[in-house]
Amino acid sequence: DVKVTQSSRYLVKRTGEKVFLECVQDMDHENMFWYRQDPGLGLRLIYFSYDVKMKEKGDIPEGYSVSREKKERFSLILESASTNQTSMYLCASSPTGDFSNQPQHFGDGTRLSIL
Amino acid sequence: AQSVSQHNHHVILSEAASLELGCNYSYGGTVNLFWYVQYPGQHLQLLLKYFSGDPLVKGIKGFEAEFIKSKFSFNLRKPSVQWSDTAEYFCAVNAQQAGTALIFGKGTTLSVSS
Repeated sequence: DVKVTQSSRYLVKRTGEKVFLECVQDMDHENMFWYRQDPGLGLRLIYFSYDVKMKEKGDIPEGYSVSREKKERFSLILESASTNQTSMYLCASSPTGDFSNQPQHFGDGTRLSIL
Repeated sequence: AQSVSQHNHHVILSEAASLELGCNYSYGGTVNLFWYVQYPGQHLQLLLKYFSGDPLVKGIKGFEAEFIKSKFSFNLRKPSVQWSDTAEYFCAVNAQQAGTALIFGKGTTLSVSS
């Protein structure tokens, strides 16, 4: 069974801090994704990556960056955290190939609070 | 731009009632369609998917969905819900062309009382 592991379930940071959210998958998947989940807004795609060192902007990339130095790890970076980035962050992965028709496997999420 | 609408924000049912959750999308081309479920405290998991073929697809835990192309709809159904179906349900769509990311609906919270 695919396992997508996010490093923290809960995280509290201060405004202006640089925040790193880590995600690791154990199934050699090519494609990885970062979403944020907010009540009443569903899931919104922040960034995705279809290969090591490759990244593409999603719908709401402003204020975020990503890093994919190794295939199994995809990091989300909040360059200077702000209170409107308080949210649940979900990482997902999908197998090699065209990810448009591949189901995604999700991690448990990181609930991030910015004070 | 593609969009996905889930018309019901919160649905409350008693056990054994039938369920239908609506999902409509806006995109004129060929699409892939998914329903995901998130049980309380758990990660999102795939319920079912449609890529092509029979428009009535069956998923896990007795769920099914019907793709009606003329209505741009992919409604989720279950004949008899259980308390354990209490969860948030998300419809997701993308265009059937390489490299297009999923668009998720805003979700429907289902509460089932025993």
